[in-house]
This record gives sequence, structure tokens and C-alpha cells, in this order.
Amino acid sequence: GEEVAQTPKHLVRGEGQKAKLYCAPIKGHSYVFWYQQVLKNEFKFLISFQNENVFDETGMPKERFSAKCLPNSPCSLEIQATKLEDSAVYFCASSLLFEDQPQHFGDGTRLSIL
Amino acid sequence: DQQVKQNSPSLSVQEGRISILNCDYTNSMFDYFLWYKKYPAEGPTFLISISSIKDKNEDGRFTVFLNKSAKHLSLHIVPSQPGDSAVYFCAAFGSSNTGKLIFGQGTTLQVKP
Repeated sequence: GEEVAQTPKHLVRGEGQKAKLYCAPIKGHSYVFWYQQVLKNEFKFLISFQNENVFDETGMPKERFSAKCLPNSPCSLEIQATKLEDSAVYFCASSLLFEDQPQHFGDGTRLSIL
Repeated sequence: DQQVKQNSPSLSVQEGRISILNCDYTNSMFDYFLWYKKYPAEGPTFLISISSIKDKNEDGRFTVFLNKSAKHLSLHIVPSQPGDSAVYFCAAFGSSNTGKLIFGQGTTLQVKP
């Protein structure tokens, strides 16, 4: 598609439950990025993919967070055993190249941990 | 360690006047900068970018200026319109060469009719 599509828009989970977020990048874009926005205005990089391969995972809290981009499927970000501090808006972005090109963002998934 | 900083949390201007949003960075390895605009409950929308080989880039009402020696960039919007009211984020590609964007904290612009 012409836009990055993220689902669901809002996800509510109890502490300790699993959360799974999805992202369909713009068709033809090889790079996918996940960011976490906490405290309304701080964006934190989590992970990036080049097609189905992890490109940079330096921002991922590896204990509970995992992500995949499989062929012919939306990319996913999964959080096991969620904690209150995971409450945030998670944005996915895609781009043609990994640098010197704008990343195009979806509208995010708001994750609320109760 | 905040490598990209937007020191003004908010800015209010009158419709038709110029809006100037500022951004500072600390890492001299950054060589490509972007401005995004964000409305509530939406994702950031790309506005304009600049490479470090330039000092100015213009697109309609939006102009970005880059001062490499001062590690400073600014976004000028002229004339400002009420629809420009949003949060503006400055971002730079990190020095890891992996496409990771480093964002500033954002500046909320309010354009008054």
C-alpha cells in the first residue's frame, strides 16, 4: 500500500500478559523501523529490518521484546510478560533506503498495560 | 545523553507571520537531518530534510537552514497558517550507519488566527 499500516490502534493488556503489534510497510520499501514513544514526546529506536533480516537491534530490551518481518506477512513486535513501563505508543516506519531518505511512519499502536 | 535537542517546548505565532523552530545537535558525525510534523493520535509526517553538504533547503512555505559549525538547524515556516499547529520534531540519522533516527523532544507550535 501507499501508507504504513499499523494494527491495532489501541491494545490493552494486564500486567504479565503478552502483547503483539503489527505493521505493514509501504509496498516496495525494504527497511522497517520500530520506535517507542514514551512521555508523549520522546522517541526511542527499538529495532530495524532489511526485508526479513534484522538490521539493527541495539535498542531492543532483549529479555521480553522480539520482532519479526517475514515474507508476505506484516511485520510484528511482540512483548512477553508486559510491565507497566511498556505502556507507550509504538510506531513503525518504512523507507526505500536505510539512510538519507525519509522514513514514513504509521499512526502507531497505543499499548496500555493495566 | 540527548544528542538532538529542541530547547523550546512551545512556540506561539500569529497567522501570516514567520515561525522559526530551532534544533541543536552534539554529534559532528550526523550528516542528514529531517523535520517531522505530528498531529495528536497520528504518526509523524515527513516535512523536509537537509544533507550536511548544503546549508539551506526550501520546499514551498518550509525552509530548513543548517549551520554545521554551530551544530544548529532551524525550520522556517512562512507564512504560518492555523493548520500548521502541531508538534514539530527534528531528527538526525545516528552515527551507526543503520538508519536509526535520533529525535529531539519536539516543539509544539500554535498558530493563532
